[in-house]
Amino acid sequence: GAGVSQSPRYKVAKRGQDVALRCDPISGHVSLFWYQQALGQGPEFLTYFQNEAQLDKSGLPSDRFFAERPEGSVSTLKIQRTQQEDSAVYLCASSLASGGVLAKNIQYFGAGTRLSVL
Amino acid sequence: DQQVKQNSPSLSVQEGRISILNCDYTNSMFDYFLWYKKYPAEGPTFLISISSIKDKNEDGRFTVFLNKSAKHLSLHIVPSQPGDSAVYFCAASGMGGGSQGNLIFGKGTKLSVKP
Repeated sequence: GAGVSQSPRYKVAKRGQDVALRCDPISGHVSLFWYQQALGQGPEFLTYFQNEAQLDKSGLPSDRFFAERPEGSVSTLKIQRTQQEDSAVYLCASSLASGGVLAKNIQYFGAGTRLSVL
Repeated sequence: DQQVKQNSPSLSVQEGRISILNCDYTNSMFDYFLWYKKYPAEGPTFLISISSIKDKNEDGRFTVFLNKSAKHLSLHIVPSQPGDSAVYFCAASGMGGGSQGNLIFGKGTKLSVKP
């Protein structure tokens, strides 16, 4: 399809396990964002890529969280030594550009990965 | 401290009537506002946006109004349809919230449109 694709859709991890979440953005989209959505809350920003460069990682909650986008397309969010408080839906979004007030900055979201840490 | 607030967790409206969803923000540096709609088990879907240089933007049944002095925006849906039942998120971006264009979201309002 032409939309943002995320896998897996659901992930159950035991506390202490490492997990990797994948995002395939819309082809040609320069900007890629990761958000975390806890139950009953709005999405919260984690990190941002422009092509392969990670320009902002101020939202990552701890050094257990790591994201990469090595070729400027697919991105992976990795969480090491998962904790129960990491349980959330992880959303990926992409946009044609970023910054400013132009329509091409609209972010398009994937369906998310629901992570449950037991 | 929440920079984008949606104070109504839920709203119930009769089919055919107007739905008004409200959003307040605290940071005057925000310059672009968006509304997203979310169905269960799906990602947020872009609905409509407005830049801070405008006070109104209309797209079919959906109109967004921006009152910069009050730091308030609202989404009007007329007429409301059962298929509009979803959670609606207000989001803001700009130098105050995120210099790279990341969005600051409210907690959402669950709209139920009854036939």
